[in-house]
Amino acid sequence: DSGVTQTPKHLITATGQRVTLRCSPRSGDLSVYWYQQSLDQGLQFLIQYYNGEERAKGNILERFSAQQFPDLHSELNLSSLELGDSALYFCASSRTGGYNEQFFGPGTRLTVL
Amino acid sequence: DAKTTQPPSMDCAEGRAANLPCNHSTISGNEYVYWYRQIHSQGPQYIIHGLKNNETNEMASLIITEDRKSSTLILPHATLRDTAVYYCIDFPPAGGTSYGKLTFGQGTILTVHP
Repeated sequence: DSGVTQTPKHLITATGQRVTLRCSPRSGDLSVYWYQQSLDQGLQFLIQYYNGEERAKGNILERFSAQQFPDLHSELNLSSLELGDSALYFCASSRTGGYNEQFFGPGTRLTVL
Repeated sequence: DAKTTQPPSMDCAEGRAANLPCNHSTISGNEYVYWYRQIHSQGPQYIIHGLKNNETNEMASLIITEDRKSSTLILPHATLRDTAVYYCIDFPPAGGTSYGKLTFGQGTILTVHP
């Protein structure tokens, strides 16, 4: 158990819909990261937040957005969902934003039908 | 895109040492070498990291060559539970726009067999 929690574990929805994935970092961690893992793209970095502010951005689609709240939990919003958005979405956290190991949550499996 | 190169798969007998190689052909002087693993769709798990010197922790040892162009992760006594995909990553330095971003390649599928 990494100490990072993600909800829900599984999500099945239809194309065109919008979903919200939630992540609670380990106690004391200030930085949160989101990653997407699909069969054809592998594990890809989406976005990083540090203490409520966006720190780094990867190839995150415009239909996706994220935020980190004052209590440090984070949400990833996915809208206008397409079949290709079906993937595992992982959240990770670290003490700060740099040379610290990132602890990953168990992931949310999103299936878009 | 990932900057490291790893063999796609390796086998290891249970109880023997598993030595996983990684090439870091474009690593810069201030990038750290990080190793993670992922067991069957679970969240990736941090294993070890280093800059220049060899490192050891309770999970593994990390050997980095003097020119830093290659590294080897050593699991000294592999068990069946070590079967996973292993990723080596060049961790970007502080101050850049990619600081904190882990770029995963295809990794090495390590299969530990009885």
